[in-house]
Amino acid sequence: DAGVIQSPRHEVTEMGQEVTLRCKPISGHNSLFWYRQTMMRGLELLIYFNNNVPIDDSGMPEDRFSAKMPNASFSTLKIQPSEPRDSAVYFCASSFRVLAGVSETQYFGPGTRLLVL
Amino acid sequence: AQKITQTQPGMFVQEKEAVTLDCTYDTSDQSYGLFWYKQPSSGEMIFLIYQGSYDEQNATEGRYSLNFQKARKSANLVISASQLGDSAMYFCAMRVSNTGNQFYFGTGTSLTVIP
Repeated sequence: DAGVIQSPRHEVTEMGQEVTLRCKPISGHNSLFWYRQTMMRGLELLIYFNNNVPIDDSGMPEDRFSAKMPNASFSTLKIQPSEPRDSAVYFCASSFRVLAGVSETQYFGPGTRLLVL
Repeated sequence: AQKITQTQPGMFVQEKEAVTLDCTYDTSDQSYGLFWYKQPSSGEMIFLIYQGSYDEQNATEGRYSLNFQKARKSANLVISASQLGDSAMYFCAMRVSNTGNQFYFGTGTSLTVIP
């Protein structure tokens, strides 16, 4: 079975441009997570969805960031306008959530390395 | 509040030796899960091992084992017979049943295996 798929793998853009990151979770998984990883701040949870519904977006840095999950097999993270401080690796992860369970592993995609000049 | 602490920013181990990576956690919930991930220099996050709070035996997966000490709130990862390919960042994470589906990650430990 294919793992979590992210695209693009690398993105270089100029400040002010719109950036869209894409994620396809593992088939059958009902939870999806977007993370950002930097040297300074480590791994940060930005937002997560259960059954395509955003549950917690408290980690989204500001209004320039938005995320959608129109169906169970696709999600996007958009940054508009992008800034140099958004440069990071963005990971998408998915899991199969069982109510009140704790054992469901999150499986990560390969990440998108974003560089904003 | 939920928290994961990894106090070793960097560790070195001789090839073929065993190494322990420390992880302590803080939660008031009785039901939680503990996870370890490996992140090699290529960047992907690889799931290694899981331990549930109610599991009586320490989890093992090949050369990986989790030394779970509930009273001390520690969940240390033990890698036996280290290999050069074990050089990577290692992250400890926790999921708590009453906080939704999110993971709490530690800051990671960088492991270098010396030939």
